[in-house]
Amino acid sequence: GNSVTQMEGPVTLSEEAFLTINCTYTATGYPSLFWYVQYPGEGLQLLLKATKADDKGSNKGFEATYRKETTSFHLEKGSVQVSDSAVYFCALSDPQAGTALIFGKGTTLSVSS
Amino acid sequence: GAVVSQHPSWVICKSGTSVKIECRSLDFQATTMFWYRQFPKQSLMLMATSNEGSKATYEQGVEKDKFLINHASLTLSTLTVTSAHPEDSSFYICSASQTGEGFETQYFGPGTRLLVL
Repeated sequence: GNSVTQMEGPVTLSEEAFLTINCTYTATGYPSLFWYVQYPGEGLQLLLKATKADDKGSNKGFEATYRKETTSFHLEKGSVQVSDSAVYFCALSDPQAGTALIFGKGTTLSVSS
Repeated sequence: GAVVSQHPSWVICKSGTSVKIECRSLDFQATTMFWYRQFPKQSLMLMATSNEGSKATYEQGVEKDKFLINHASLTLSTLTVTSAHPEDSSFYICSASQTGEGFETQYFGPGTRLLVL
């Protein structure tokens, strides 16, 4: 079946540090991949997505590349800010398999100044 | 745009009582709404998918008689936890897909934390 595995948190970084949050997936078909972010007290927001292999999603300085060969969709940012502190969820959707969104467990990022 | 609200944000109830959670799309019409449950340090687990005017589709293992879902209009879906017990304590999150968009595009509410004593 389809599943998403993302690195355990929390991740604690200083401002301007480089961020990587690992995400790997298992899917029977050709899924779309997503990163969602949840800021404190708010609902999940779509951060970026990629719909096919080798696509790169990007938004707000965050990037993730759909790697079919390694079944990965790692989230990266070159220089994090305090305002990036949030919980990040990797997710997949496989319309051909009839699945909606399947989420990873979430990774909490805490950035200090 | 595309804002989803949930009410209440926090609810504490006694064991055996029923609790209703509302999910509203504030500025768009939502043909499809989704209900998730999230345990601490766990991922969001899809409970059910509801389409306006029809019965909800429940995921395997979710008791439809316990978690009643009503999607009576294009802007409102409700989840009622009937005869709640402490094991029902959790964080419940709804999301909505805008009419005309695929279900891959979901707008999430802020969640409702339920504590059953």
